[in-house]
Amino acid sequence: QKEVEQNSGPLSVPEGAIASLNCTYSDRVSQSFFWYRQYSGKSPELIMSIYSNGDKEDGRFTAQLNKASQYVSLLIRDSQPSDSATYLCAVKGAGTYKYIFGTGTRLKVLA
Amino acid sequence: DAGVIQSPRHEVTEMGQEVTLRCKPISGHNSLFWYRQTMMRGLELLIYFNNNVPIDDSGMPEDRFSAKMPNASFSTLKIQPSEPRDSAVYFCASSDRRAGFSYEQYFGPGTRLTVT
Repeated sequence: QKEVEQNSGPLSVPEGAIASLNCTYSDRVSQSFFWYRQYSGKSPELIMSIYSNGDKEDGRFTAQLNKASQYVSLLIRDSQPSDSATYLCAVKGAGTYKYIFGTGTRLKVLA
Repeated sequence: DAGVIQSPRHEVTEMGQEVTLRCKPISGHNSLFWYRQTMMRGLELLIYFNNNVPIDDSGMPEDRFSAKMPNASFSTLKIQPSEPRDSAVYFCASSDRRAGFSYEQYFGPGTRLTVT
């Protein structure tokens, strides 16, 4: 079983819609969770970090964490074609600096 | 503020040659990470340093790979001898793990390595 799982996609949504990206993790004691956006040929760019259960909002982005279900998600409201990219979920366990990355979900926002 | 700096951005070399990738972390950051990204395996952690000391090198694929961090502002990843299967994008990332700071990692632009 992979430690961090994401649906590879592509996830296609129309412009203006809400894109919902999901991630599950296996290490129950994981403490910190991160979402990165990676455009083709570019490096991962940090979008959001979340550390406690619930929602965290930043502009059009909302991260949601449910530690009991070992589930973290990223919602993108009013999706734009410029949001088309691969979104990577990363999880940091307790007592380590290591991130475990998922394989990413490719998002396509259709104009 | 300057982000993480990596050089070279592209490297093409022949099998058997030595390759050295360089990284300058964000000023003040005390943790540095080397990753490799391929289509097949995704983003893999190779090694990470804290306060210039290697903490975990379990991701280094084999003895052909070595990494050093002689000071807080410079790190190298060396492959000797290089093989075609080493072709990938190599990223360096840094973070600030001093008390009160988050564990957020910030990535450099990467070095695209092609070994022919």
